[in-house]
Amino acid sequence: ELKVEQNPLFLSMQEGKNYTIYCNYSTTSDRLYWYRQDPGKSLESLFVLLSNGAVKQEGRLMASLDTKARLSTLHITAAVHDLSATYFCAVDSVDSNYQLIWGAGTKLIIKP
Amino acid sequence: GAGVSQSPRYKVAKRGQDVALRCDPISGHVSLFWYQQALGQGPEFLTYFQNEAQLDKSGLPSDRFFAERPEGSVSTLKIQRTQQEDSAVYLCASSLANWVEVETQYFGPGTRLLVL
Repeated sequence: ELKVEQNPLFLSMQEGKNYTIYCNYSTTSDRLYWYRQDPGKSLESLFVLLSNGAVKQEGRLMASLDTKARLSTLHITAAVHDLSATYFCAVDSVDSNYQLIWGAGTKLIIKP
Repeated sequence: GAGVSQSPRYKVAKRGQDVALRCDPISGHVSLFWYQQALGQGPEFLTYFQNEAQLDKSGLPSDRFFAERPEGSVSTLKIQRTQQEDSAVYLCASSLANWVEVETQYFGPGTRLLVL
């Protein structure tokens, strides 16, 4: 059974600091997705990572994928208040019939 | 352009009542997905349509849940004889390609269902 674990589940940090969110998954998969969700809002796609060593960056967010370790990271550089949201990773594979299996989310609060 | 829309946004139902939740995907999108999201959790897959065909319904929690997409565009998720454990946000997503291809899913705002 494909399982996805995120940590931490909650993170409170000051503006200007750097931090990393981790996403571990349990079976072989080469496709990993990061989404953002603001309170009461829809899920918004951030990154799609397709191969070992893939790295993508958008603004202050950078995501990477290590398929051998079954680990993805979402790194936040010099955080700003606008990045406060809940961040989800999701994985699909033949084990899940290519349906997305989601982590529980990391609620990020950035204090000004 | 228009994104995925869902209606109603909020629904309060009495236990035992039937409810119907509507999803309007992005025009031209082949794939449509329904998810259930409990408070403080990630979404859980319910069912998947490719055009009008329901190709995967393995996530539907019971036979009280039924989904359809008769003309390959608008979809309805119906829950019969609602129970308190059905209270959740129901998310709809669509994507341009079929599900085995890598494709971003575009999500609607969700319908928040509360069963009393």
